[in-house]
Amino acid sequence: QVQLVQSGAEVKKPGASVKVSCKASGYTFTGNFMHWVRQAPGQGLEWMGRINPNSGGTNYAQKFQGRVTMTRDTSISTAYMELRRLTSDDTAVYYCAKEDTASVDYWGQGTLVTVSS
Amino acid sequence: QTVVTQEPSFSVSPGGTVTLTCGLSSGSVSTSYYPSWYQQTPGQAPRTLIYSTNTRSPGVPDRFSGSILGNKAALIITGAQADDESDYYCVLYLGSGIWVFGGGTKLTVL
Repeated sequence: QVQLVQSGAEVKKPGASVKVSCKASGYTFTGNFMHWVRQAPGQGLEWMGRINPNSGGTNYAQKFQGRVTMTRDTSISTAYMELRRLTSDDTAVYYCAKEDTASVDYWGQGTLVTVSS
Repeated sequence: QTVVTQEPSFSVSPGGTVTLTCGLSSGSVSTSYYPSWYQQTPGQAPRTLIYSTNTRSPGVPDRFSGSILGNKAALIITGAQADDESDYYCVLYLGSGIWVFGGGTKLTVL
């Protein structure tokens, strides 16, 4: 069965960077785009971008251009999302999500990132 | 910047039918945007309901359906049940690898 297992919660100071991992199993990792979506407390879902695990090619939401980098390690079927220059507005749950047929079909459990001085 | 619009909140009686919509700040939604719909309850990851406008994800009850109504995508829930009380989000594919979520609709069943 498909599983996306994310890394644990993080607490960061303003200005720092965070890197969240997402380990995939139960399917061919390089066969489907991986998306990253975040949700601030009490707010809606926000699409951040996606990576093609086969080629490494990425598409980022304009809002995060220059501040986010999505990478992957195909040898361990793991995708990563790094967000730099964190502010309190980046406090959110970050989800990885597997794409299939122009939508997301499986979601990770979420990783809470708290930015606080 | 393209904004995807959803009703902030909606209410439906148990057993009733409700239509949630997903529009664009400028322009019309068509099947070319591959609208998909997600359900989320507090503290949980989202669940995929509908993809490619009107295809139900495996295991989703047939009281959930999707379509294009006028210039918007729509999620129709017929025979609403208490456990349908959730937040509902649509996503549109804008092309060039870019997706955008709507702001979500909080559905109350009472």
